[in-house]
Amino acid sequence: GAGVSQSPRYKVAKRGQDVALRCDPISGHVSLFWYQQALGQGPEFLTYFQNEAQLDKSGLPSDRFFAERPEGSVSTLKIQRTQQEDSAVYLCASSFSWGDTEAFFGQGTRLTVV
Amino acid sequence: KNEVEQSPQNLTAQEGEFITINCSYSVGISALHWLQQHPGGGIVSLFMLSSGKKKHGRLIATINIQEKHSSLHITASHPRDSAVYICAVRGPGAQKLVFGQGTRLTINP
Repeated sequence: GAGVSQSPRYKVAKRGQDVALRCDPISGHVSLFWYQQALGQGPEFLTYFQNEAQLDKSGLPSDRFFAERPEGSVSTLKIQRTQQEDSAVYLCASSFSWGDTEAFFGQGTRLTVV
Repeated sequence: KNEVEQSPQNLTAQEGEFITINCSYSVGISALHWLQQHPGGGIVSLFMLSSGKKKHGRLIATINIQEKHSSLHITASHPRDSAVYICAVRGPGAQKLVFGQGTRLTINP
């Protein structure tokens, strides 16, 4: 497709379960971002990739969160031993370059931890 | 205090009304984005601006760098404009966006 694709769209996990969220950015986009959006709040930054390099992971809330983009295209956000506070929408965005360029967002993955 | 503050948090208006959503930020920026989010989560970029004013159809975005303030205006509002509108800023040399909490707009027919 032409846009940013995220899967799954919805995920229900039992507390303690590991989950993996996938992002397919627009082909050729160099920059890829993961954001976390709690209910009723604006998105908050998790991590940033430029090609395969993870240049900023300062927003990852704990060492249970891990992201990778091994070939500089598809990215996976992994959450280990999920907790209820991890329930949120996880948004992926990509842009053609870095700096002040338009960001294109995926539909998000809504994670519910029960 | 959040770096990016939006007002109002919620806005309900009648079809046809002129809508203004405000965004104030406390840090230096290289660009400000206005985004639209419909139920279901998808976010669409409306504007990216670093100075002055931009217009697209019924939407107008303005920014005052000295005042650290931006506004999003919608003329002749329509029920399909109902969505959450989010302001986000990027700092100089930074890559990530810092978001406001969003303004939920409801336009009644």
